[in-house]
Amino acid sequence: QVQLQESGPGLVKPSETLSLICNVSGDSMSSSDWYWIRQSAGRGLEWIGRISASGSTDYNPSLKSRVTMSLDTSKNQLSLRLSSVTAADTAVYYCARRLVVVVGATRYYYFGVDVWGQGATVTVSS
Amino acid sequence: QSALTQPRSVSGSPGQSVTISCTGTSSDVGGYNWVSWYQQHPDKAPKLMIFHVNQRPSGVPDRFSGSKSDNTASLTISGLQADDEADYFCSSYADYSFYVFGPGTKVTVL
Repeated sequence: QVQLQESGPGLVKPSETLSLICNVSGDSMSSSDWYWIRQSAGRGLEWIGRISASGSTDYNPSLKSRVTMSLDTSKNQLSLRLSSVTAADTAVYYCARRLVVVVGATRYYYFGVDVWGQGATVTVSS
Repeated sequence: QSALTQPRSVSGSPGQSVTISCTGTSSDVGGYNWVSWYQQHPDKAPKLMIFHVNQRPSGVPDRFSGSKSDNTASLTISGLQADDEADYFCSSYADYSFYVFGPGTKVTVL
């Protein structure tokens, strides 16, 4: 069974950098693309970005200047860094796996998230 | 403010059907069949219920169905059950932002 577990500081000061790690168990990092998604009361669900198994990335245009995502396949980990944070970045941060359906020898990448982590609550406050 | 529009809440009695709409534009919902729906219970992570407009992942009951017409996607829950009470979010590929979500609809089972 695939499990994702986020970890990192629960409190970050304004203007500093938020850093989170997601440990992936029960699956290979090469099996899919990986997302970071956040959720807050004020902004709802917000897609932060995507990293492929090869390390290529796409970021939400509204966050692109502050976001860095990376992958460590040897540790089965993905990471998120969000710089220059403000109170608006306070949210629950999820790592997640893109839905891939395997039919025979073909992998079909769909637009959906089939596995989510439990979420890491991050508060930005001095 | 979300790019997609959903009703704030819908309700129904056990056994009834409810439908949740998700309205966007030709740059997101209307332009692609990449619409997904998620169920979220309090303090839990979202759960994928529908992908590719009307496909159900393994394990999701066939009481849940999806459709799309023009710029509006819909999720219908038939035979409403107590455990269906949750928040439901639509999402879509968007050519301006890759991936966008709706604000969520609270489903109440009366």
